[in-house]
Amino acid sequence: EVQLLESGGGLVQPGGSLRLSCAASGFTFSDNAMGWVRQAPGQGLEWVSTISADGGYTYNADSVKGRFTISRDNSRNTLYLQMNSLRADDTAVYYCAKEALTVGTSNLDYWGQGTRVTVSS
Amino acid sequence: QLVLTQSPSASASLGASVKLTCTLSSGHSSYAIAWHQQQPEKGPRYLMKVNSDGSHNKGDGIPDRFSGSSSGAERYLTISSLQSEDEADYYCQTWGTGIQVFGAGTKVTVL
Repeated sequence: EVQLLESGGGLVQPGGSLRLSCAASGFTFSDNAMGWVRQAPGQGLEWVSTISADGGYTYNADSVKGRFTISRDNSRNTLYLQMNSLRADDTAVYYCAKEALTVGTSNLDYWGQGTRVTVSS
Repeated sequence: QLVLTQSPSASASLGASVKLTCTLSSGHSSYAIAWHQQQPEKGPRYLMKVNSDGSHNKGDGIPDRFSGSSSGAERYLTISSLQSEDEADYYCQTWGTGIQVFGAGTKVTVL
C-alpha cells in the first residue's frame, strides 16, 4: 500500500524558513517523480514543485521560484521542500504527491494527508 | 497557456447521477486529465485518468459508480447512484513538461 506521510509544518514568522519532509513507502520511491501541492485556506489546489525520479530535474511554480527548493533522498525514501523567505500568502496545507508513471511527466496518483504551514507574526 | 476550466458547483439528489465537466484551453484538446476528489477536511484522492479518446484508468478501490469520458476539449466525470459521501470538491488536473495544472474545482452537493 502506497503511503506518503508529510511532516515539518507549523507556525513561522514572515521572512522565516521551514523544511517539510515526506516519507514514502509501498512503492519503489526512486522510480517516480514526486511533487508538492498546496491549498490555501478555502481555496483550490495549487502546484508548487516537482522533482524527477533521480533528482536531476526540478521545476517550480512562479509563485515560489527563488524561495522554495525541492529535493529528495532516494536512499531514505524521503522528499523535502525547503521554504525560505516565507510570506503570509504561503499559508496553506502542503501535500506531497506521487506521479503515476516512471518516465516523463504524468498525473498524480497518490497523495499524503498534508501538513499545515502558517506564516504569521 | 495550459488552463483547465470547471464549473464552481453542481448538485443532484441522493441516488441520482451528476456529470462534471473540465475544459482544456485552446490548443490543448489532445491532453489527458486526471480527476481527484477531496472530501471535507481531508486530503485529495486520485479517482482516474481520462484520455482524449475517452478511455480512463481508475485509481485503487474507486467504485464503478465513477466513470470518465471525453468529447473534444472537454473531459467528464460522471458519478452514478450518488451517495452522501460523494459530497466533495472535485478537481481536474493536467500536466506538461515539469508542470502540473489544476482546475479551480467543482463542489458537488448531494440533495
